[in-house]
Amino acid sequence: KAGVTQTPRYLIKTRGQQVTLSCSPISGHRSVSWYQQTPGQGLQFLFEYFSETQRNKGNFPGRFSGRQFSNSRSEMNVSTLELGDSALYLCASSWGTRETQYFGPGTRLLVL
Amino acid sequence: KQEVTQIPAALSVPEGENLVLNCSFTDSAIYNLQWFRQDPGKGLTSLLLIQSSQREQTSGRLNASLDKSSGRSTLYIAASQPGDSATYLCAVSTVNQAGTALIFGKGTTLSVSS
Repeated sequence: KAGVTQTPRYLIKTRGQQVTLSCSPISGHRSVSWYQQTPGQGLQFLFEYFSETQRNKGNFPGRFSGRQFSNSRSEMNVSTLELGDSALYLCASSWGTRETQYFGPGTRLLVL
Repeated sequence: KQEVTQIPAALSVPEGENLVLNCSFTDSAIYNLQWFRQDPGKGLTSLLLIQSSQREQTSGRLNASLDKSSGRSTLYIAASQPGDSATYLCAVSTVNQAGTALIFGKGTTLSVSS
């Protein structure tokens, strides 16, 4: 069974631009969560989608948004990029709520 | 607010040694606790998940225990190998939060020398 895939793997953007990251969960998984990982803050929860509905949201500004499609694939969008948005963005999927989460390899975003 | 702490931040051991990684959390109202490993620049690999009603879980050379009342979990690695070198993260899913939001510790970076 294929694992969680994320595209693109690497991305370089400049301040003020926007970016869209994509995540394809493991087949059959309906929950997709997004996390931001930085050296200073560690791993922080962004949001979770389940059956196309946002179920939970972390403490991030409104510039961070996401959505989930009917095939469970998910995208997250960051508008008006700031230098501090440089991070590894990880997507995780699970079959249901509070089940084991399986992580993708991440998208490394560098904002210049 | 749930906070997760992992001690030590880094650990170096010779190959073959048994070791224990520690994780503590401030709010005992957890749904489950999960241990992950992360290799440099990579995503997370799930190692073990312990439900709040369980005391321990085992997988191969790994054994994770959970003491919910004291807010502690340990990950025991037996007969360590150089391939075990990685950062180990623990994360809790709290009862007060809807869904599957995990709160992570900062991790313990393990180095096993041959």
